[in-house]
Amino acid sequence: EPEVTQTPSHQVTQMGQEVILRCVPISNHLYFYWYRQILGQKVEFLVSFYNNEISEKSEIFDDQFSVERPDGSNFTLKIRSTKLEDSAMYFCASSATGSYYGYTFGSGTRLTVV
Amino acid sequence: LAKTTQPISMDSYEGQEVNITCSHNNIATNDYITWYQQFPSQGPRFIIQGYKTKVTNEVASLFIPADRKSSTLSLPRVSLSDTAVYYCLVVPEGFQKLVFGTGTRLLVSP
Repeated sequence: EPEVTQTPSHQVTQMGQEVILRCVPISNHLYFYWYRQILGQKVEFLVSFYNNEISEKSEIFDDQFSVERPDGSNFTLKIRSTKLEDSAMYFCASSATGSYYGYTFGSGTRLTVV
Repeated sequence: LAKTTQPISMDSYEGQEVNITCSHNNIATNDYITWYQQFPSQGPRFIIQGYKTKVTNEVASLFIPADRKSSTLSLPRVSLSDTAVYYCLVVPEGFQKLVFGTGTRLLVSP
C-alpha cells in the first residue's frame, strides 16, 4: 500500500530556530496538506496545497509558516522562528482527488521546541 | 460545518462487536460522514465513508439512518490492535479540509 513518508520522525530545536519538516507524498497525488496535533489535543488543519500554491490555510498558519514543493516529490513545512507552543506532532497528508475520501496521512514528525 | 458528538471513551473485549455512535443533528444535504482511526503517535487513517443507509468494507460497517442525524461505526470481532481513537467527521462534498473532534478512545482488553 502506498505511503506518505515524513522525516525526521522526531526533531528537537531551540526556540527561535528555523525548522523544516519534510514529506514525500504518494507519487500520483496532487493535493497536499499539513495538520498538527498538540499532545492530548485535536488534530488541526494547517494548510492545503494544490498546483504549486496554497489553496486554503487556517488561522494557525501565520507568517512564520510556509510550505513548498521544491522538486516535484517533496513537500515541506517551514517554521521560521519556532516558539514553545509549536511543539506538536505534524502530519503531512496527500490526496489524489482533493476529496476527504482519499486522504493518506504520514506517521508524523514530533517537533519539540526547547 | 455540522457539529459531531460521540462518546469520549469505550471499553470492549477481544472478539466482541463494537458500535460507536456519532450524532450530527445539523448535517446538511451535501455532507458525507467519514470515520478515521488514529493509533498513538501515528497519523489518522481513513476507515469508511457513507452518505446514507449501510456501507461495509473489509474493516468496518457504517450504518446511517434515513434522517442522517446520527451514524454508527461497527467494528466486528475487535482485537487488541483495534485499540485506538476513532473520529467521526461530517464533511461537505468537495470540502478540502478535515475538522477533527476529540474522537472516541476505544480500549480493547484481552
